[in-house]
Amino acid sequence: AAGVIQSPRHLIKEKRETATLKCYPIPRHDTVYWYQQGPGQDPQFLISFYEKMQSDKGSIPDRFSAQQFSDYHSELNMSSLELGDSALYFCASSPATGELFFGEGSRLTVL
Amino acid sequence: GENVEQHPSTLSVQEGDSAVIKCTYSDSASNYFPWYKQELGKRPQLIIDIRSNVGEKKDQRIAVTLNKTAKHFSLHITETQPEDSAVYFCAARSHTGTASKLTFGTGTRLQVTL
Repeated sequence: AAGVIQSPRHLIKEKRETATLKCYPIPRHDTVYWYQQGPGQDPQFLISFYEKMQSDKGSIPDRFSAQQFSDYHSELNMSSLELGDSALYFCASSPATGELFFGEGSRLTVL
Repeated sequence: GENVEQHPSTLSVQEGDSAVIKCTYSDSASNYFPWYKQELGKRPQLIIDIRSNVGEKKDQRIAVTLNKTAKHFSLHITETQPEDSAVYFCAARSHTGTASKLTFGTGTRLQVTL
C-alpha cells in the first residue's frame, strides 16, 4: 500500500539558511499535517491543510511557512534557521475517518 | 486547546508481564484516541485506536479502554515481548473546523527485559 512520502530524509543546514521539506500524502487522503519532534520529545503540531486550504495552526514559528499544492503534495519552508530547529519533521495524512499515517520523517540538523 | 497527560514516563517490565499506560485529556469534545508506537529515529506507527462511542477495544495482545466521564484512556499490553520495547504515545483528537489535529501525550518509554 502507498505510504506518506517525505523528502529529503536528512538535511544539514547552517544557521540562518533556508530549508524546504516535501511531503506526498497517501492518495485520496484529504488532510495533511506537519509535526516537529525534538530529541526525546513528543511530536508537536505545526500546521495542517484540508483540501489544500490551511485548516489549523499550532506552534509554528513565523519563520516557517507551508502550503499544499494542487497535486496535494505539501511543502514546509523554514527560513533563518536556528540551532533549535534541529529536529525530526513528520508529515502525516489522514482520510475522512481521521486516522493519521506518518511518513518516515525528515531529519534536519542545523549547525 | 486540548491537553493530554501521559503516565508513566518510563516503564520497565519483565517479558511475559503486562504493561499499562494511562492518559488523561482535557477537551470533552475529543472523540478519537489513538495510540502510537515509536522506535528510536522511526516514525510513529498507529497500533490501536478507540472512538468515543466505544468503551473498550482489543487487538490480540493490545487493548485500550476509554472512560469518557473521567476523560481518561489506557493502553494495556499483555504477554509483553522484547520487541514491544519502544516509546508509546497516546493522543486525542479535538475538532477544529474542517480538520482535526492530534494532540500527543508526552510519551512512555517501555522497556521489556528478559
